[in-house]
Amino acid sequence: DVKVTQSSRYLVKRTGEKVFLECVQDMDHENMFWYRQDPGLGLRLIYFSYDVKMKEKGDIPEGYSVSREKKERFSLILESASTNQTSMYLCASSLLQGNTIYFGEGSWLTVV
Amino acid sequence: RKEVEQDPGPFNVPEGATVAFNCTYSNSASQSFFWYRQDCRKEPKLLMSVYSSGNEDGRFTAQLNRASQYISLLIRDSKLSDSATYLCVVSPYGGSQGNLIFGKGTKLSVKP
Repeated sequence: DVKVTQSSRYLVKRTGEKVFLECVQDMDHENMFWYRQDPGLGLRLIYFSYDVKMKEKGDIPEGYSVSREKKERFSLILESASTNQTSMYLCASSLLQGNTIYFGEGSWLTVV
Repeated sequence: RKEVEQDPGPFNVPEGATVAFNCTYSNSASQSFFWYRQDCRKEPKLLMSVYSSGNEDGRFTAQLNRASQYISLLIRDSKLSDSATYLCVVSPYGGSQGNLIFGKGTKLSVKP
């Protein structure tokens, strides 16, 4: 089975703090994704990566950056957290673009 | 027109009922189609892919109508455990350029 692991499940951060969300997948998938999910807005793509050191902006990249130094690891960075970034963040991976994606369990971030 | 549109529900049905969800998509070039299931405060998980010929998995049947650009999910003999949000997912392109577009989900509540 595909395993996507998000190491931080619940975080509370202060406004202005730098936040790192880490994600690791164990199936040698090429593609990795970061989404956020908010009530009434559904899943929104922040960034995705189709290869090591490659990244593409999704629908809502503002206020976020990403890093993919190794194939299995994709990090989401909030340079200066703001209260409107309070959300559930979901990491996902897929073997090929357009194919089934597999999600991690999610990271619940609260910015106060 | 939204890229992937679903009736948000909630659909409240008794155990044993048959329930159907529809989903419309705007991009006629879409190649891949999926239904995901998401339990409350959990990550989405693949329920089934949707093939042009239609496909069935136990009590679940998925259909694709390319001419009308909609996908359906039929659940027969509903169980309490079917209560969840069902996400319609579409890949707008084939090959290497596609990313999945998620509908906002249809909430199903199965009552005793």
